[in-house]
Amino acid sequence: EVQVVESGGGLVKPGGSLRLSCAASGFTFSIYSMNWVRQAPGKGLEWVSSISSSSTYIYYADSVKGRFTISRDNAKNSLYLQMNSLRAEDTAVYYCVRGNVGDWGQGTLVTVSS
Amino acid sequence: EIVLTQSPGTLSLSPGERATLSCRAGQSVSSSYLAWYQQKRGQAPRLLIYGASSRATGIPDRFSGSGSGTDFTLTISRLEPEDFAVYYCQQYGSSPITFGQGTRLEIK
Repeated sequence: EVQVVESGGGLVKPGGSLRLSCAASGFTFSIYSMNWVRQAPGKGLEWVSSISSSSTYIYYADSVKGRFTISRDNAKNSLYLQMNSLRAEDTAVYYCVRGNVGDWGQGTLVTVSS
Repeated sequence: EIVLTQSPGTLSLSPGERATLSCRAGQSVSSSYLAWYQQKRGQAPRLLIYGASSRATGIPDRFSGSGSGTDFTLTISRLEPEDFAVYYCQQYGSSPITFGQGTRLEIK
């Protein structure tokens, strides 16, 4: 069974940092691109970042460019999102997504507030 | 980026009725790389349709997708009580991936 499980969310002050992790299982992680998608409370879905299978291609939404860094460790079947200089508008549930469409985790909540 | 506009914003129907949800793209979606998701409160989105018309694993056949180019439709042939939720379209043919703003399907 395909599973992606996010962790690392929590409450952080504006300007702070947080590192999200996504543990993948049930599929060959190393051949899939991976994405982070977020959803602010009561709002729609927003793509955040993507990384190709071998980390060759990396993309970011303009709203997080220069502040967030996506990475992966294929040996550990894990995806990461390093989030720096966090702002109130980054408050959201962050989802890890296998490929460009398909399997989503249950999400991890990031709250940026003083 | 490709902007997706969903209509209507809210659709009020009764169980047993047919639901038709629309997703219009600001430019042509490459190779019909258009997906539909269902999201219930407090849950992650659930993939219903990919490639504009292919049902995901385990999705009942009352859900169907159609369309190409810039106009896409999700149809639910006979609404069940569990179908009342928010529905999103997503294009994944061009970078960046983009989502529509969602259609809320509510019980009339």
